[in-house]
Amino acid sequence: GAGVSQSPSNKVTEKGKDVELRCDPISGHTALYWYRQSLGQGLEFLIYFQGNSAPDKSGLPSDRFSAERTGGSVSTLTIQRTQQEDSAVYLCASSLLGLGGIYEQYFGPGTRLTVT
Amino acid sequence: KNEVEQSPQNLTAQEGEFITINCSYSVGISALHWLQQHPGGGIVSLFMLSSGKKKHGRLIATINIQEKHSSLHITASHPRDSAVYICAHSQETSGSRLTFGEGTQLTVNP
Repeated sequence: GAGVSQSPSNKVTEKGKDVELRCDPISGHTALYWYRQSLGQGLEFLIYFQGNSAPDKSGLPSDRFSAERTGGSVSTLTIQRTQQEDSAVYLCASSLLGLGGIYEQYFGPGTRLTVT
Repeated sequence: KNEVEQSPQNLTAQEGEFITINCSYSVGISALHWLQQHPGGGIVSLFMLSSGKKKHGRLIATINIQEKHSSLHITASHPRDSAVYICAHSQETSGSRLTFGEGTQLTVNP
């Protein structure tokens, strides 16, 4: 079956512009996570959606970052007024369930964002 | 100090060697995850375990909850095993989001 998909695969933007990154999780997966991997650094958590619950935004690095998940499926991560330090690979993952159990997470291929 | 510490950071082996990557963590967890990241960036979940030992092909993962330590072993290593191996933990109380180690870059030479 189809895995997690993300678009675009690469995005080059000028400093100060807004960008939107999209994630299509595996059908039926109720939990969706956004992570970031900066060059030469490890992976870090950004935001988590579980069903209709309020998202856990505790990992967002600044108020320029926001995300939404429409209809419990597709998610969009928006970065406003991009800065060079936002350059990273943004990864989306989904799993069957976040709360009440631990399930394997399936990762998308990522979006490589370069801010010039 | 990171919540998840991996060692070694880099590992070079000859084809056929037995490989061990270690992971220590400092908090109570619900599950420990081992992930593989190939050049090009794709991440694949190898194991998720909360106790004991799991085996898949040439890969074995173990965890000692009391000592807060996990190991990933690769038997009869092959050049195609070359990748970054990442240890991560999750907690039900945190929505099962992953907290990652820095990763171990493994290179297996023919």
